[in-house]
Amino acid sequence: DQQVKQNSPSLSVQEGRISILNCDYTNSMFDYFLWYKKYPAEGPTFLISISSIKDKNEDGRFTVFLNKSAKHLSLHIVPSQPGDSAVYFCAASAGNYGQNFVFGPGTRLSVLP
Amino acid sequence: DGGITQSPKYLFRKEGQNVTLSCEQNLNHDAMYWYRQDPGQGLRLIYYSQIVNDFQKGDIAEGYSVSREKKESFPLTVTSAQKNPTAFYLCASSMTEWRTNTEAFFGQGTRLTVV
Repeated sequence: DQQVKQNSPSLSVQEGRISILNCDYTNSMFDYFLWYKKYPAEGPTFLISISSIKDKNEDGRFTVFLNKSAKHLSLHIVPSQPGDSAVYFCAASAGNYGQNFVFGPGTRLSVLP
Repeated sequence: DGGITQSPKYLFRKEGQNVTLSCEQNLNHDAMYWYRQDPGQGLRLIYYSQIVNDFQKGDIAEGYSVSREKKESFPLTVTSAQKNPTAFYLCASSMTEWRTNTEAFFGQGTRLTVV
């Protein structure tokens, strides 16, 4: 049973427009959420995170929104650039000792020039 | 430069052989993890270790073994008991402190192919 879900396997967006990637989770113990970006044959790189005490975190072109009641988070990229084309993974953890990271299946974003 | 290093990048193994994937970090992180990625799937946790000489099974530990004799190193052995070992393997590390949120840092991965 997947605890972290990304229901869109792929997304195509025009350069300059907004990209919105969605993630849902089922475990109410999760209290820290992360987004990773991954290029083919490379390890994921950390993008942005949000703690459950916040509902929004912004870093440059990237904003993550958290809706705890809906167990839903989203990553907004504005404006989208061709270099953003990658697979984006949502991950969640429970902030206690012994935490590990649970990853979603990923969404492949293609930003078209 | 601090980082996490996996070697080799590509590895070929004959069926029935054990093979060990290396993971080293100089970030002074306590926790280390091994994940496996298959096409079209997310990262699935194989093993993780929060402290030296201690490790825990993840979701798909069968056919794998690990050791954590040093803080910097967390090698993964893919044994002949692993029925479908061909995959992309990722090692990660993170700080672990009580009630501290932190991200995991990943290595570049090892692509293992069984021939």
